[in-house]
Amino acid sequence: KQEVTQIPAALSVPEGENLVLNCSFTDSAIYNLQWFRQDPGKGLTSLLLIQSSQREQTSGRLNASLDKSSGRSTLYIAASQPGDSATYLCAVRPKRKDQAGTALIFGKGTTLSVSS
Amino acid sequence: DAGVIQSPRHEVTEMGQEVTLRCKPISGHNSLFWYRQTMMRGLELLIYFNNNVPIDDSGMPEDRFSAKMPNASFSTLKIQPSEPRDSAVYFCASSANRGSTDTQYFGPGTRLTVL
Repeated sequence: KQEVTQIPAALSVPEGENLVLNCSFTDSAIYNLQWFRQDPGKGLTSLLLIQSSQREQTSGRLNASLDKSSGRSTLYIAASQPGDSATYLCAVRPKRKDQAGTALIFGKGTTLSVSS
Repeated sequence: DAGVIQSPRHEVTEMGQEVTLRCKPISGHNSLFWYRQTMMRGLELLIYFNNNVPIDDSGMPEDRFSAKMPNASFSTLKIQPSEPRDSAVYFCASSANRGSTDTQYFGPGTRLTVL
């Protein structure tokens, strides 16, 4: 059974720091891995999606890497800002032999607080 | 694009009452997902539909939960009777299901409190 783990559960950093969030998964049979952002009381916003054949994706100050063989992904945030404060969720889309459509399996998230 | 629409945004009810949550997916999307988020268990899939047909309902906790998708633009999640342990945020998401490149788009969620 696929399990997704995120470490640390919470992180506090001063503004301007570069930081790394970690995600690990137990089964490498995935279509893709996504990183989401969730603000308090809000829904989820997709940040980056990495296909299983890719190694990384970049968007602005965000860079996500994927090492499928070791079951790991990292989300790198450069020059953090107070507006980056949110919960960051990692999710994998597992492969199924019977059909292409599958739901996401989520980690419990890392809550980031960036102080000014 | 209006995004995924969920209603109500907040629901407070008493134990034993019936609760109905509603979702309108993004137009043109043919996969719809219902997730539940709690502090203890995080985000978990309840059920998902492909072309209005339920594909995987293994996450539905018990017979008190039921979900329907009568057409491509509407889905409901019903809890009857509701219990305090059902208190959570319920998210609906949709995707175009064009293959492995799909992104799921999430609605704002319904925060359910069962007293």
